[in-house]
Amino acid sequence: GQQLNQSPQSMFIQEGEDVSMNCTSSSIFNTWLWYKQDPGEGPVLLIALYKAGELTSNGRLTAQFGITRKDSFLNISASIPSDVGIYFCAGYANTGNQFYFGTGTSLTVIP
Amino acid sequence: EAGVAQSPRYKIIEKRQSVAFWCNPISGHATLYWYQQILGQGPKLLIQFQNNGVVDDSQLPKDRFSAERLKGVDSTLKIQPAKLEDSAVYLCASSAPGLAGGNNEQFFGPGTRLTVL
Repeated sequence: GQQLNQSPQSMFIQEGEDVSMNCTSSSIFNTWLWYKQDPGEGPVLLIALYKAGELTSNGRLTAQFGITRKDSFLNISASIPSDVGIYFCAGYANTGNQFYFGTGTSLTVIP
Repeated sequence: EAGVAQSPRYKIIEKRQSVAFWCNPISGHATLYWYQQILGQGPKLLIQFQNNGVVDDSQLPKDRFSAERLKGVDSTLKIQPAKLEDSAVYLCASSAPGLAGGNNEQFFGPGTRLTVL
């Protein structure tokens, strides 16, 4: 199955810094989702985006649905230690009725 | 609202043994997914159900994997016989229509971590 290109693969940042990651696809999607996965747990849905150009926030997290519908971005402001984990993007197309996942971005926050 | 439930959380078996995983989706979610997640990778879809029917099982290794959702609610995934390369986390997810329609908000259970020795 298709896997989305997610970058960077890993990040090591100081507490308080801002973080940016992105996800690109060769296909157009109707929905972009961003998840966070802690060790030993399932992915937890953070933000869902439904329209090209849409910018949505959830606390310190902000995500955008790219204009081309082939990419999405996630920003985390003022990072804290509990932001540590793996972040996955997922794209959904109404045709095919299936979710495709990114390769993940591993985030480490140094206190 | 209760989330997606899965059991067991952990399972250790020897190769060639059989194993089964159970999932109960969020109430009212018609679509249920089973994913395999190998360490360091994103989830890979194994099978997708819409109510009690299979929508997509193209990536399910059907010689050893099977899944059912007989009453359109909970589901079981079975591996028989298991191989070493089946060691992974098996995630169940369910979805509901989002703002734009379609099944485009997906929620995951905690997963079952399988170790095959």
